[in-house]
Amino acid sequence: NAGVTQTPKFQVLKTGQSMTLQCAQDMNHEYMSWYRQDPGMGLRLIHYSVGAGITDQGEVPNGYNVSRSTTEDFPLRLLSAAPSQTSVYFCASSSLDRENTEAFFGQGTRLTVV
Amino acid sequence: GEDVEQSLFLSVREGDSSVINCTYTDSSSTYLYWYKQEPGAGLQLLTYIFSNMDMKQDQRLTVLLNKKDKHLSLRIADTQTGDSAIYFCAECSGGYQKVTFGIGTKLQVIP
Repeated sequence: NAGVTQTPKFQVLKTGQSMTLQCAQDMNHEYMSWYRQDPGMGLRLIHYSVGAGITDQGEVPNGYNVSRSTTEDFPLRLLSAAPSQTSVYFCASSSLDRENTEAFFGQGTRLTVV
Repeated sequence: GEDVEQSLFLSVREGDSSVINCTYTDSSSTYLYWYKQEPGAGLQLLTYIFSNMDMKQDQRLTVLLNKKDKHLSLRIADTQTGDSAIYFCAECSGGYQKVTFGIGTKLQVIP
């Protein structure tokens, strides 16, 4: 059981480049989300999805796009990377069952924009 | 909006108890969580408590919730060096499992 898989683990981008951070889960979870983790800021929600075809903005959505074409995958796109997007990115998934509230996190993607 | 606050750092000696505190602002919170993050890893759920509970105990972990003061604490008994990590308090309110995290408390266990 792989859980939540994020790729790549590390990435260096030049300012203005684009890239997609991949996230996949094999637990048939409806809810998936992307967070960024910055020192002294904790985890901040970027975008989330409650099911295939449904996405919404979180706390810090600017500069990021998402899509949810399948239950399993929730990629995060940076269209034009900026140094302010240097961070560690975590994808998480959970069931919408209120009796089963645990969020499962991927191992993170460490992104540096130079 | 939701806000979750916790102190940045806690240092304890091995074998002592650790108490990590957290305050939150959203009175409609339904679940409150403690997650653990080890270096270079993602977050793992340690324990959670429903908002209608005062206390939950799970082996070495005790969670206390004071809903009136919106205060949550995590007590780790007999703290071990393997407990060294960052501990995140988080709360869930409203629908769709939207979770707001605190900034994390780094626990350092001194041998």
